[in-house]
Amino acid sequence: NAGVTQTPKFQVLKTGQSMTLQCAQDMNHEYMSWYRQDPGMGLRLIHYSVGAGITDQGEVPNGYNVSRSTTEDFPLRLLSAAPSQTSVYFCASSPAGITTGQPQHFGDGTRLSIL
Amino acid sequence: AQSVAQPEDQVNVAEGNPLTVKCTYSVSGNPYLFWYVQYPNRGLQFLLKYITGDNLVKGSYGFEAEFNKSQTSFHLKKPSALVSDSALYFCAVREPPQSGGSYIPTFGRGTSLIVHP
Repeated sequence: NAGVTQTPKFQVLKTGQSMTLQCAQDMNHEYMSWYRQDPGMGLRLIHYSVGAGITDQGEVPNGYNVSRSTTEDFPLRLLSAAPSQTSVYFCASSPAGITTGQPQHFGDGTRLSIL
Repeated sequence: AQSVAQPEDQVNVAEGNPLTVKCTYSVSGNPYLFWYVQYPNRGLQFLLKYITGDNLVKGSYGFEAEFNKSQTSFHLKKPSALVSDSALYFCAVREPPQSGGSYIPTFGRGTSLIVHP
């Protein structure tokens, strides 16, 4: 099992450019989430999905779009990159586990710099 | 709303000594609590969780955590630290079932554990 795979691992963009961060999981998990990690800020939730065709906003959604057309994939789109979006982005997945509290599985992150 | 506080940005401990990484939480109802570890340039890895039952839960790599409902705390502990335990540790909380929330965990800011030889 590959688990959660994020691509690319590193990316440098210019202000105003757009791009898509890819996330794929092979565990048939219902829940998928995108976080950004910034020094001293911990992990902040950007968007999440509880199943194919269902997405919702997290704590810091502005400037980002998501879609979930399949169970496996959950891409994150930066519409017009800004320097404030320089961060490390993590994708995570988990079974629904509403009553069992299933832990999340994380990818290794995408390190994004906006110049 | 759910929230987590990790009051220490960094914890320093000598190898072989016991370690504690602190976490307090706020959530409506009985919490679902988690600890994760992050090594450099990697994603977070699950260590242990508390859902219900015994207040002392055991997890991976010899770590354990104690749930204290009255103090709303879930501190991570290990009896004897190793240099290889040096990493970033995150506490997370999720609301219980039937709360009507998203059931997506909220994470603390992380605590850097440094174990000195």
